[in-house]
Amino acid sequence: ETGVTQTPRHLVMGMTNKKSLKCEQHLGHNAMYWYKQSAKKPLELMFVYSLEERVENNSVPSRFSPECPNSSHLFLHLHTLQPEDSALYLCASSLYRLNTEAFFGQGTRLTVV
Amino acid sequence: AQSVSQHNHHVILSEAASLELGCNYSYGGTVNLFWYVQYPGQHLQLLLKYFSGDPLVKGIKGFEAEFIKSKFSFNLRKPSVQWSDTAEYFCAGAYNNNDMRFGAGTRLTVKP
Repeated sequence: ETGVTQTPRHLVMGMTNKKSLKCEQHLGHNAMYWYKQSAKKPLELMFVYSLEERVENNSVPSRFSPECPNSSHLFLHLHTLQPEDSALYLCASSLYRLNTEAFFGQGTRLTVV
Repeated sequence: AQSVSQHNHHVILSEAASLELGCNYSYGGTVNLFWYVQYPGQHLQLLLKYFSGDPLVKGIKGFEAEFIKSKFSFNLRKPSVQWSDTAEYFCAGAYNNNDMRFGAGTRLTVKP
């Protein structure tokens, strides 16, 4: 148990659905991240929040919309996804944004049908 | 662009064999390096990290890694693997003033 909890663990959604992924940490960390993990590809950094402000968006399509209401919670809102968006979505947190160890959640396995 | 690469996609070893997984990072100034492990069905967890100082770093579960600046490498080693080491291993680098970048991962299968 890393202290980073993601829900749901599995999600199947249609291309016209709207759903949200949730991430929660009570480690007192100031930075939170969304990563996408696809088979045989490097983990892709999607979004970075530091002190609840978004500091990086690595050219992620607008059908992915993050939200960080406070330092302990991070959401990823999904709408009109494509089948190629099927992947494992990982949330992570770290004490500070840069050059510190990241703690990961177990991920949400997303399947878009 | 700053990046981290892992050469081996899948490594298969017998128990008690020695392990070395390759990791190279691109030049980009100061970099902190990490190895993470992901056991089947579990979250990514940190094995070891290098920030500065002794280039040979020791981590959990008998793993170690050596930072070789001249080769831009940070290979992971273990003298004798066990069946329980079967997992996916990720190398990552955090460049100065930039966020962590991961390699594609190496899947290790240890046969009993």
